[in-house]
Amino acid sequence: NAGVTQTPKFQVLKTGQSMTLQCAQDMNHEYMSWYRQDPGMGLRLIHYSVGAGITDQGEVPNGYNVSRSTTEDFPLRLLSAAPSQTSVYFCASGEQGSGEKLFFGSGTQLSVL
Amino acid sequence: DAKTTQPPSMDCAEGRAANLPCNHSTISGNEYVYWYRQIHSQGPQYIIHGLKNNETNEMASLIITEDRKSSTLILPHATLRDTAVYYCIAVRNRDDKIIFGKGTRLHILP
Repeated sequence: NAGVTQTPKFQVLKTGQSMTLQCAQDMNHEYMSWYRQDPGMGLRLIHYSVGAGITDQGEVPNGYNVSRSTTEDFPLRLLSAAPSQTSVYFCASGEQGSGEKLFFGSGTQLSVL
Repeated sequence: DAKTTQPPSMDCAEGRAANLPCNHSTISGNEYVYWYRQIHSQGPQYIIHGLKNNETNEMASLIITEDRKSSTLILPHATLRDTAVYYCIAVRNRDDKIIFGKGTRLHILP
């Protein structure tokens, strides 16, 4: 049982490049979400999903797209990376079909030059 | 969702009990108090949650005041490994938009 798996762990992009951060969970959780954490700051919610085919915006959704085609996977896409998106990104899944008890991945450290 | 207020940082001597306060004076009746912690740059880890009654598990105890306007997370015998940022959040049943604040940075002093 791997829990929540995020890939890659580190990524460097140039401004304007696109990429997808991967998140997968093997706990059959309906709920999944993405957060970003800037240095010395708390977690900010980007997007979340309460089940396959359903996504919604969090606090800071601009510049990011998500989709949820399966229960297991919740990828986060940066269409045109900007230096302001330099951050650590955490994916989480929820045990009770909502965000009540979250399990987090180990994070992806993204630098945009 | 109720806003929670936590001190930005606290110190605790190793081996002593660490008592982390959280104020949630606007909490509604169907909101649970959840605690998470984040060690260094790892992903946050769930610790404990409660509604009205005090709760205890293998990691910590949660004391909620009778009026539910504040709570305290207790780590009974703090170790250096408990150095982390601790987040207190109020979560409704079936809540799906979970917002974290800045938490309390706990320093365990040797």
